[in-house]
Amino acid sequence: QKEVEQNSGPLSVPEGAIASLNCTYSDRGSQSFFWYRQYSGKSPELIMSIYSNGDKEDGRFTAQLNKASQYVSLLIRDSQPSDSATYLCAHSGYSTLTFGKGTMLLVSP
Amino acid sequence: EAGVTQSPTHLIKTRGQQATLRCSPISGHTSVYWYQQALGLGLQFLLWYDEGEERNRGNFPPRFSGRQFPNYSSELNVNALELEDSALYLCASSFPGQGIHEQYFGPGTRLTVT
Repeated sequence: QKEVEQNSGPLSVPEGAIASLNCTYSDRGSQSFFWYRQYSGKSPELIMSIYSNGDKEDGRFTAQLNKASQYVSLLIRDSQPSDSATYLCAHSGYSTLTFGKGTMLLVSP
Repeated sequence: EAGVTQSPTHLIKTRGQQATLRCSPISGHTSVYWYQQALGLGLQFLLWYDEGEERNRGNFPPRFSGRQFPNYSSELNVNALELEDSALYLCASSFPGQGIHEQYFGPGTRLTVT
């Protein structure tokens, strides 16, 4: 079973803090990794993709990938209440994405 | 640029009936994916269509089926509806090719089976 594991949370951080979301995966053959944000009752929105080891930064978001440890993370700097959502980690196989169940993030004002 | 569109937004059916859900991909995308998201559960992969062909299906019974039309839009059919089919059905699209490109989701169809 090719699985993606995420802590369900909720992860609570104060406004302005750094939120750190983590994900592990079991398929060593995975090449592509994605982070989606899903607000309650809405569809997932792609926020980051990462394909090689190391860090990738986009605005307040930084994705980190370590294929040797089968670990991918998402850092959100200067967290805002509008960042409160469930964050889904996904990795690619040949034909589709496998999603984790998501981590709920709560940012308090 | 228009995103992925889905219709209807909500659908209420009775157990045993059939449901048809529709999806239009982003312009230029030829791959369409269907996912089910039941309450409290993660996204479960249902079907992948590319160039009119079914490329892969998830661990769902045959009463879940679909097709892709020449304009790359897609239809998901669920026959003999059961109560546990109540869920948010999400369509995503991506560029074609082996391996996975970024998938972009539509707003979903909320199916309720009573």
